[in-house]
Amino acid sequence: GAGVSQSPRYKVAKRGQDVALRCDPISGHVSLFWYQQALGQGPEFLTYFQNEAQLDKSGLPSDRFFAERPEGSVSTLKIQRTQQEDSAVYLCASSVSSGSSETQYFGPGTRLLVL
Amino acid sequence: EDQVTQSPEALRLQEGESSSLNCSYTVSGLRGLFWYRQDPGKGPEFLFTLYSAGEEKEKERLKATLTKKESFLHITAPKPEDSATYLCAVQIMNYGGSQGNLIFGKGTKLSVKP
Repeated sequence: GAGVSQSPRYKVAKRGQDVALRCDPISGHVSLFWYQQALGQGPEFLTYFQNEAQLDKSGLPSDRFFAERPEGSVSTLKIQRTQQEDSAVYLCASSVSSGSSETQYFGPGTRLLVL
Repeated sequence: EDQVTQSPEALRLQEGESSSLNCSYTVSGLRGLFWYRQDPGKGPEFLFTLYSAGEEKEKERLKATLTKKESFLHITAPKPEDSATYLCAVQIMNYGGSQGNLIFGKGTKLSVKP
């Protein structure tokens, strides 16, 4: 079946621009996560949704970052007034809780470059 | 503070030369330990989940083991196509039993030369 998809795959923004990154999770997955991965580092947690409810946004680095999942499926991560330090790969993951198995499946990521 | 440390940062092997990657963790309560493989320009690909000390899982040339403080990813007779970055992540026990985020290490970059 189809995996997690993300768009765009690459985004170049000028400093100060707003960007929107989209994630389409695996159909039927109720949990959705956003992570940020800097070059040479492991992914770092940003925020978590269960269906349409944002249950944890403790990893969002500033109030310029905003995420939503209004219908419990597709999610959008928005970054306002982008800064150079926002340049990174943004990964989306989804999972469905099934007993003790809670594997998160990742999309290919969106590579953001802020100039 | 919950922490995951992977070693070595990089590992170069000859084809057929077996070795192990280490993941040590310090967490308040472990719910699960995950291994992922990441190829350049791609998202992490799931390999294994381990839940309790003593557990082992195998897939082709890979075998993951877990103790109370660390996990090992053993690679037996590696091939060039095993070259990738291997990421270790932990999921901790949290409020109300609801699913928690993963805490990742920095990864081990494995290169296997023919």
